[in-house]
This record gives sequence, C-alpha cells and structure tokens, in this order.
Amino acid sequence: AQTVTQSQPEMSVQEAETVTLSCTYDTSENNYYLFWYKQPPSRQMILVIRQEAYKQQNATENRFSVNFQKAAKSFSLKISDSQLGDTAMYFCAFMSFGYNTDKLIFGTGTRLQVFP
Amino acid sequence: SQTIHQWPATLVQPVGSPLSLECTVEGTSNPNLYWYRQAAGRGLQLLFYSVGIGQISSEVPQNLSASRPQDRQFILSSKKLLLSDSGFYLCAWSPLADSYNEQFFGPGTRLTVL
Repeated sequence: AQTVTQSQPEMSVQEAETVTLSCTYDTSENNYYLFWYKQPPSRQMILVIRQEAYKQQNATENRFSVNFQKAAKSFSLKISDSQLGDTAMYFCAFMSFGYNTDKLIFGTGTRLQVFP
Repeated sequence: SQTIHQWPATLVQPVGSPLSLECTVEGTSNPNLYWYRQAAGRGLQLLFYSVGIGQISSEVPQNLSASRPQDRQFILSSKKLLLSDSGFYLCAWSPLADSYNEQFFGPGTRLTVL
C-alpha cells in the first residue's frame, strides 16, 4: 500500500524568505502523480502544483517549485518570496494510477505560518 | 465552468441520529466523485469514490455509506452517528478522462457529533 509522510507538523517563515516543506512517499509503482495542495483557513483545498513521475524535470508554478527525487521517493515543495497569503496547511498527496479512477493518498499536512 | 457544491456547511448532530450530506457538481458530465474525511490535526482520508451512477466503492469500513442517485450528485449518509464521525467532510470530483487527473474539492461540511 502507498503511504505519504510529512515529517514537519509546523513550519514558520518570515515574509519574503524561502521555505521548503518535506514529503516522502512509499510505492512500488513506476507511474504515478504527486501533488501539493494548500488548505487556507477557509478550508478550501487548492491545488498548488503537480508532478508526473515519468518527468524528470521538476515542476514550477510561479513562486512554487518542487524537488522531485524519484529514487529517494522524495517530493519537497519550495516556496520562494513567501507572502502572508501563503499561510495555510499544506498537504502532499500521491495518486495511484487505477483503472477508471484515481485515488489520492494524503500526508498528514504541514502547517505553515508566514510572519510579517 | 465547473463548480462543486456541498451542504450543509456546518452541522451539529447528537450521537445516534441520522446523517445526510449532499454534494453536487455542475458544468461537467460523468465525473468521478469522492468523499474524504479530515479529522482534527490529520490529513484527508478517502472514504468513498464513484465512477458512475449507482457505482460506489468503499475505502474504509465504517458506519457511513454513500450513494450516487444521479450523475452529478453524491450523498454521504449514516443511520446512526458516532462521536468518532466528527470531522470535516470534503467532496471532490475529477474528469473521467483527464490526463492530469486533478481533483477539485468542494467547500466542505464541518460535522460535530455531540
């Protein structure tokens, strides 16, 4: 069974600084997707960034980028130039490639606080 | 554009009472639908998923059930709530044939069982 581990329950960063959130996962599959979701205080889950396992190039979305190390089964999220609006719970998620449906497996989350 | 609705937004129910949470999706057809639960301080756990009307798969044994009476309607139910059913319930949908397989989440329902 696949598992996702986020070992940092809480992180804090000063505004405009850079922070990296860690995520490791366990799977025997070769093809899968990885995601970072953000859940602000409003509780609405928002997709931040995704990575296809077959792509070696790390995904980037504006200030958000990932460091995907397939062999090490590591998928960290780097937030550059942190903003107050980045304060939220961040969930790493793994998607198994199932027939006709794809199930997300989430980590326990990292609570990020951005300070002014 | 597609939108997903959940109601009610919050719910307080006594132990042993029934439950019905509703999720509807607009602007798409034949979506995959999902129910997740987020317990306090924990990640999301997949409860049920559905690939079509009347087709429900359960991920964890529990006293909850799900139904999909219409293509874009997904209902989470219980005949008798337990204290442990308290949590934040999220409905999500994904396109049936989306190469990116992104799931889109609803606003959630906060359930408190007393």
